[in-house]
Amino acid sequence: QVHLVESGGGVVQPGTSLRLSCVASGFTFTNYAMHWVRQAPGRGLEWVAIISDTGRNKFYADSVKGSFTISRDNSKNTVHLQMDSLTPEDTALYYCARDRYNSGPYYIDNWGQGTLLTVSS
Amino acid sequence: QSALTQPPSASGSSGQSVSISCTGTSSDVGGYNSVSWYQQYPGEAPKLVIFEVNKRPSGVPDRFSGSKSGNMASLTVSGLQPEDEADYYCSSYAGSNNLVFGGGTKLTVL
Repeated sequence: QVHLVESGGGVVQPGTSLRLSCVASGFTFTNYAMHWVRQAPGRGLEWVAIISDTGRNKFYADSVKGSFTISRDNSKNTVHLQMDSLTPEDTALYYCARDRYNSGPYYIDNWGQGTLLTVSS
Repeated sequence: QSALTQPPSASGSSGQSVSISCTGTSSDVGGYNSVSWYQQYPGEAPKLVIFEVNKRPSGVPDRFSGSKSGNMASLTVSGLQPEDEADYYCSSYAGSNNLVFGGGTKLTVL
């Protein structure tokens, strides 16, 4: 059974940085690309970034390009999202999610429960 | 990377059928057969209900079906049940290694 557990969220001030983490279990982590998707309070889903199975390829939404960095540690079945220069517009529940294939993006077939980031002064 | 267009709300009585549209462009919905749909209950993570336009994951009732014509995809829920009341989001590959979601539709079962 696929299990994705996010952590690292919290309340931070604008302009600061934060790193989110997601530990995966229940499947062969190295066979799948991984996403981060966010959902602002009361709003819809917004795709943030994807990293391929090997970590070689990384792609970002225009809204976070240059500010966020996705990475993965296949030895620890973990994917990270480094977020810099945070603004209140980054306030959201951040979901870790698995793509159906190893490169992608194609479609998301499994989601974590999310970790909440609040950016406020 | 513009969001796909969904109606904010949809409704139907128990037992009836309801369809939710998802309109994009030839660069996303119309250009690829990678349209998926997600069901989300309040306070919960999304759950995949349709992938590759019209395929259902194991465990999803066959009351859920998907289709696509041109730049518009649709999710149809037949024989509405109270437990179908939720938010539904469409998603599509949008080229250039981007994924795009719709704004979401709140489905109410009357």
